[in-house]
Amino acid sequence: EPEVTQTPSHQVTQMGQEVILRCVPISNHLYFYWYRQILGQKVEFLVSFYNNEISEKSEIFDDQFSVERPDGSNFTLKIRSTKLEDSAMYFCASFERGYGGYTFGSGTRLTVV
Amino acid sequence: SQKIEQNSEALNIQEGKTATLTCNYTNYSPAYLQWYRQDPGRGPVFLLLIRENEKEKRKERLKVTFDTTLKQSLFHITASQPADSATYLCALDLTGTASKLTFGTGTRLQVTL
Repeated sequence: EPEVTQTPSHQVTQMGQEVILRCVPISNHLYFYWYRQILGQKVEFLVSFYNNEISEKSEIFDDQFSVERPDGSNFTLKIRSTKLEDSAMYFCASFERGYGGYTFGSGTRLTVV
Repeated sequence: SQKIEQNSEALNIQEGKTATLTCNYTNYSPAYLQWYRQDPGRGPVFLLLIRENEKEKRKERLKVTFDTTLKQSLFHITASQPADSATYLCALDLTGTASKLTFGTGTRLQVTL
């Protein structure tokens, strides 16, 4: 069964550093998303991406965040200057109409120290 | 803003029994209501989707009902097994246009022998 692949699985970074989280969505999907889940809390929407542009973003997704689809397969989330409160699991998801649900990756656990 | 409540943080049942999980939401009904399974440290896995004009949907041992008057969905797992132990998430797709999902906090199901 097709999968959404995320790398790295774990990332530890110092506060103020830039991080890039990487995702390879399912190849024929057109809609891409980033979500995050702080430990013990609910899954929260960050941003959706379609046709090479952001279609919607949440209040969490401020100027420190950006997304990019640099080629036909990768989808990245960049955090420019990480803060302690950015520590969370970050999930990439992709979607295609007619399937029903969204396919999530296994996540990247980001720890900011 | 839309609020989603899932019944009790944890639900313990005996193997072979039917587990029933509840999802209540406020404000307007979503176009689609989805249920996901999440195992510790993993991403959500899509289980079932039900549309606002549907009352019930089934898939193998799973059943979802949707009552837009009560603003409630029930998720049933019949003949539950220890392997069903996980956190189950309710998620709303308000517009049905591949936009964001809004998740509940989840119910942790533990199936014991």
